[in-house]
Amino acid sequence: RKEVEQDPGPFNVPEGATVAFNCTYSNSASQSFFWYRQDCRKEPKLLMSVYSSGNEDGRFTAQLNRASQYISLLIRDSKLSDSATYLCVVNTGGFKTIFGAGTRLFVKA
Amino acid sequence: NAGVTQTPKFQVLKTGQSMTLQCAQDMNHNSMYWYRQDPGMGLRLIYYSASEGTTDKGEVPNGYNVSRLNKREFSLRLESAAPSQTSVYFCASSGTGPLDEQFFGPGTRLTVL
Repeated sequence: RKEVEQDPGPFNVPEGATVAFNCTYSNSASQSFFWYRQDCRKEPKLLMSVYSSGNEDGRFTAQLNRASQYISLLIRDSKLSDSATYLCVVNTGGFKTIFGAGTRLFVKA
Repeated sequence: NAGVTQTPKFQVLKTGQSMTLQCAQDMNHNSMYWYRQDPGMGLRLIYYSASEGTTDKGEVPNGYNVSRLNKREFSLRLESAAPSQTSVYFCASSGTGPLDEQFFGPGTRLTVL
């Protein structure tokens, strides 16, 4: 079993739709969680950190469920510019940071 | 303020050749990282440098060496390239460690024939 698993997608949604991604992790001692965004043939960039209490940044909401060992990302009112691959990132301690393989999102007009 | 820069952007090698990938950051970050990204897989950590003067192995260090030349620069060397090292290589840096945001360079696309 992979340490961090994501549905690879692709998710194809119309503009304005709400879409949610989940990511599961296997190490219960995992400490920190992030969502990164990666555009095609570009470098990853931090989208948001994921806090225990959940957090929101504009149209993006991240949640952490430690009991079930998953994190989620909700995107409301999708824009064409949201088309990208979303990487789930989990730190399990020290410098051990695990990147998921990513979920591809296509937002269509 | 260029952030993280990497050279070269593209490289084709023959099996057995050697090369060094260069990385530099101008954000005064302490920690630097080298990752590789292969299709269908997440980024995998090759080596990292927690601070100037230290380097440590990551998940997939075999076939690679690194040098933290100074606080700004962190290079990755392939001594004898193999086709299995065909990948996209990303350098990253963060302020104090892995719990900080990591800033990535644009990547090097390496093909080993």
